[in-house]
Order: sequence, then C-alpha cells, then structure tokens
Amino acid sequence: DIQMTQSPSSLSASVGDRVTITCRASQTITTYLNWYQQKPGRAPELLIYGASSLRSGVSSRFSGSGSETEFTLTISSLQPEDFATYYCQQSYSTFPLTFGGGTKVEIK
Amino acid sequence: QVQLQESGPGLVKPSQTLSLTCSVSGGSISSDGYYWSWIRQHPGKGLEWIGYMYYTGSTYYNPSLMSRVTISADTSENQFSLRLTSVTAADAAVYYCARNDPRMPAAGSFDCWGQGALVTVSS
Repeated sequence: DIQMTQSPSSLSASVGDRVTITCRASQTITTYLNWYQQKPGRAPELLIYGASSLRSGVSSRFSGSGSETEFTLTISSLQPEDFATYYCQQSYSTFPLTFGGGTKVEIK
Repeated sequence: QVQLQESGPGLVKPSQTLSLTCSVSGGSISSDGYYWSWIRQHPGKGLEWIGYMYYTGSTYYNPSLMSRVTISADTSENQFSLRLTSVTAADAAVYYCARNDPRMPAAGSFDCWGQGALVTVSS
C-alpha cells in the first residue's frame, strides 16, 4: 500500500491567515494526488485534483502544488467557511486507493 | 448534475451481512470512464476506500476487505450496491458512495459523493 502522511494533524489559525498543509507519499505518485475538504456531518468535497488543478467553483484562495512524494495544500487567506478537515488522496496505485489521516483546521 | 444517495439498514447484527445501495440521478452508471465507489469513515477517523466497480462488471477491492466485499450494479435501476459479510463492531462507520474518474486530468479523484449512511453493528 502507498501510505499518505499529512502534517500537521491539526492546526489553529485566524481568519486571514495563510495556511499550508503537507501530504507525503511513501513512494512516488507523480501528480496523482487529490485534496478534499470535509465539514462536520458532511461528505468530503473535492477541492484540488492532479496535485494542482482547482476544481471548478472552488475558491481561488485554495491552491495545490507538488509532485512525486511531497505535496502541499495552501489556503491563501483563511475564511470562516474554511474551518474543516482536509484530506489528501493518492490514485497512482489502485490497490488500494489511500487517503491521508486528515488535517483539522480550527479557529484560534 | 450527478447526485448520489445511499440507502439501507442503519443497524446490522454481528456476523450478519451489511447491504447498502447507492441510487444515482442526473447521470448514468453506464457512463463511459467512471468508476463507482464505496468509501467508509469510522467515527472520528479518516477515510477508507472499500472498492469500486465499472459498469461492465469489473470490480476492484481494497485487499484488507476483499474476502468479505462485493460491489455490484443494477444498470436498469441506475444503482450500485455494497455487500459486506461477517460484520463486526469494527465495521461500524459512515458509508459513502462516490464517483471516481481515473482519467487524466481528473487523476482518480472522487468528484461526487453521497451524503453518507451511518451503519451501527450491534445485537
């Protein structure tokens, strides 16, 4: 299995802060890396696909970068609606598809 | 747009079989290129991919669950289903159905999700 490790597991930040979340893969996954946002009681929603492509309708304050084994999700200016848990997911290897452990973004 | 909705019993007894159905509207599960997935989330935990299927009948399962999982489709009803046998308390979770696009540039992302179905395992 390809292990996906996110850091930090949680963070506290204020509205307007720049936030960066890191996701590391246990082996190269080229750019087969996707990011999701999940709010309490809701299903995850796709934000970024292919490491850096912003899904249509998602705010441009979200951006993704990276390749091979190291990836980042950046929120340029944190807004109240961005407080949520964020997950990365690799699809380079189907057996199995795997997610990171999540990063919970909380209000400072 | 495509919408997915899970349905099925919210309570399953230990050792019995968990069965859930995902109804798809706004699009066809026979659409070329998409895979139809089940993913679960244990309470307060992360996401675990269970497996997915293609409308032709091809299936791919997480090796950790492969011996107990079956995913199948009813194309006439535009639904697909999950069966998980011999459940234990460790199978209690929210179960999501989702659409997966393995092609580039979608890069194997899950772009549509159901709202989730909570399954409790208890006698």
